[in-house]
Amino acid sequence: KAGVTQTPRYLIKTRGQQVTLSCSPISGHRSVSWYQQTPGQGLQFLFEYFSETQRNKGNFPGRFSGRQFSNSRSEMNVSTLELGDSALYLCASSSAGTSGGPSYEQYFGPGTRLTVT
Amino acid sequence: GIQVEQSPPDLILQEGANSTLRCNFSDSVNNLQWFHQNPWGQLINLFYIPSGTKQNGRLSATTVATERYSLLYISSSQTTDSGVYFCAGASNFGNEKLTFGTGTRLTIIP
Repeated sequence: KAGVTQTPRYLIKTRGQQVTLSCSPISGHRSVSWYQQTPGQGLQFLFEYFSETQRNKGNFPGRFSGRQFSNSRSEMNVSTLELGDSALYLCASSSAGTSGGPSYEQYFGPGTRLTVT
Repeated sequence: GIQVEQSPPDLILQEGANSTLRCNFSDSVNNLQWFHQNPWGQLINLFYIPSGTKQNGRLSATTVATERYSLLYISSSQTTDSGVYFCAGASNFGNEKLTFGTGTRLTIIP
């Protein structure tokens, strides 16, 4: 079974621009979560989507948004990029169902490394 | 939300040595995972272990849920074991949100 895939793998953007990152979960997985990793803050939860609905949200400004499509693929968007948005963005999928809950193993993609200049 | 603490932050060992990494969490967890982050940034799943003991080759893990800690054991270390090891937990109140520790950076010297 193919793993979680993320595109693009690397991205360089300028302050003020916006960016869209894509994540395809493991086949059959309907829950997709996004995390940001920076040297200063470590790994932090952004949001989780299930059945095209945002089910959980972390403590990030509204410039960070996401969506999920009917095939469970997910995108996240960052508008008005700031230097501090430079990070590794990781996507994870799990087999969590309608009732949700944390007791499902999460599997991570290779990440998208975003550099904002 | 839960707090996750990892120790030690750094560990330097000779090839062939054994190591123990620890993860303490502040509340009950329904999900506890150990990951190895490779040099390219990908988190590789090592164990899904909210309780009990599991083994996979030279690696094993034990979670004592009642005492809120988990241990990752690496035996006969190899240079390819180098990297950062993370534990992450999730409680019922956090749904799918995994809270990560700050990691243990393991360096294996040939």
